[in-house]
Amino acid sequence: KNQVEQSPQSLIILEGKNCTLQCNYTVSPFSNLRWYKQDTGRGPVSLTIMTFSENTKSNGRYTATLDADTKQSSLHITASQLSDSASYICVVSANNAGNMLTFGGGTRLMVKP
Amino acid sequence: NAGVTQTPKFQVLKTGQSMTLQCAQDMNHEYMSWYRQDPGMGLRLIHYSVGAGITDQGEVPNGYNVSRSTTEDFPLRLLSAAPSQTSVYFCASSYEAGGPTDTQYFGPGTRLTVL
Repeated sequence: KNQVEQSPQSLIILEGKNCTLQCNYTVSPFSNLRWYKQDTGRGPVSLTIMTFSENTKSNGRYTATLDADTKQSSLHITASQLSDSASYICVVSANNAGNMLTFGGGTRLMVKP
Repeated sequence: NAGVTQTPKFQVLKTGQSMTLQCAQDMNHEYMSWYRQDPGMGLRLIHYSVGAGITDQGEVPNGYNVSRSTTEDFPLRLLSAAPSQTSVYFCASSYEAGGPTDTQYFGPGTRLTVL
């Protein structure tokens, strides 16, 4: 069964600090991996999309990495801001009919002043 | 360009009632989908559509119906609401289904409570 596991489940950091969120997956055959940001009460918003051949992709202060061999990804947030407080969701797309997406449970990040 | 819109934003139903959650997109996307999000769990796919007139079941389709008569609209129908359907429902659209360069756009969600 395709699965996406994220850690930690929740994280509290001080404003200005960096943090790294982890994602492990067992989706096969792999097509691409996405990171989404979901603010409280809102729908998820795409941050990055990486294919098998990409091992890093940045979007402003967000940098995602992908190790397709170990089936791991990380999302690094640099110089955190209060507005980074949200849930971050790792999503993996399988390269099959319908390109089904498997969602992780998310990491809830709180940035405190 | 409104993106993906959903109505209503909140809804309370009694067990056994039926209702329709509305979803519309103005980006001319072929692929639309419905998810439910429950506490501590990842989003789970209910139904999806790869184009007008074509729908298919996702991971958790029981108790829900969909139709896709136009490219823009993808309503989700609850036939006989049950407390287990209490959840937050998200509609999403994309140019294609989960392709390598395909960005999926989500609506703001409908928070449904079934008593």
